[in-house]
Amino acid sequence: DAGVIQSPRHEVTEMGQEVTLRCKPISGHNSLFWYRQTMMRGLELLIYFNNNVPIDDSGMPEDRFSAKMPNASFSTLKIQPSEPRDSAVYFCASSLRSLEQFFGPGTRLTVL
Amino acid sequence: TQLLEQSPQFLSIQEGENLTVYCNSSSVFSSLQWYRQEPGEGPVLLVTVVTGGEVKKLKRLTFQFGDARKDSSLHITAAQPGDTGLYLCAPRGNTGNQFYFGTGTSLTVIP
Repeated sequence: DAGVIQSPRHEVTEMGQEVTLRCKPISGHNSLFWYRQTMMRGLELLIYFNNNVPIDDSGMPEDRFSAKMPNASFSTLKIQPSEPRDSAVYFCASSLRSLEQFFGPGTRLTVL
Repeated sequence: TQLLEQSPQFLSIQEGENLTVYCNSSSVFSSLQWYRQEPGEGPVLLVTVVTGGEVKKLKRLTFQFGDARKDSSLHITAAQPGDTGLYLCAPRGNTGNQFYFGTGTSLTVIP
């Protein structure tokens, strides 16, 4: 199994641009999580899906952030418009029946 | 959101020394996980503890869940450079399926 796949691994963009982060969970897993990690606030849960349905999006910072999971094998996290304070490492994780979470390698986002 | 405190925030020790890191909260948790994260990678699960007072051992690592299920500790015996990383505790609340992560303890073991 290839594990959780995230793309791109690095993204550098200018303030105001749209950013789309992608995640392919482990096949057969039914829960998917998006996290943001910064030195100041650690690893923050943004949103999680269960069976492709968003269950808790209370961690999404504001309306500029949106997440979708159109099918069991793909999810996106979109930021529009992006701001410098969005710079962070964004992780996607998947799990089966909310047991062990398997994390992807992360996307390092830099907004200039 | 659960309020978590992990301590110490940073720890640098010599190879062979013992250490303990802590995860504390005023909330009661149904279970708790410990993860280790190496630079440039995502966190990897080390252990899950469920029962108050539970102790689990993983080679040189000993994990304990507090009797009241509000806190946990991780003890490493004879630390090695390969133990270097960010140690994250992730308690699970009594509602919902998500785990909440602390800010972690960054451990550096010097050869």
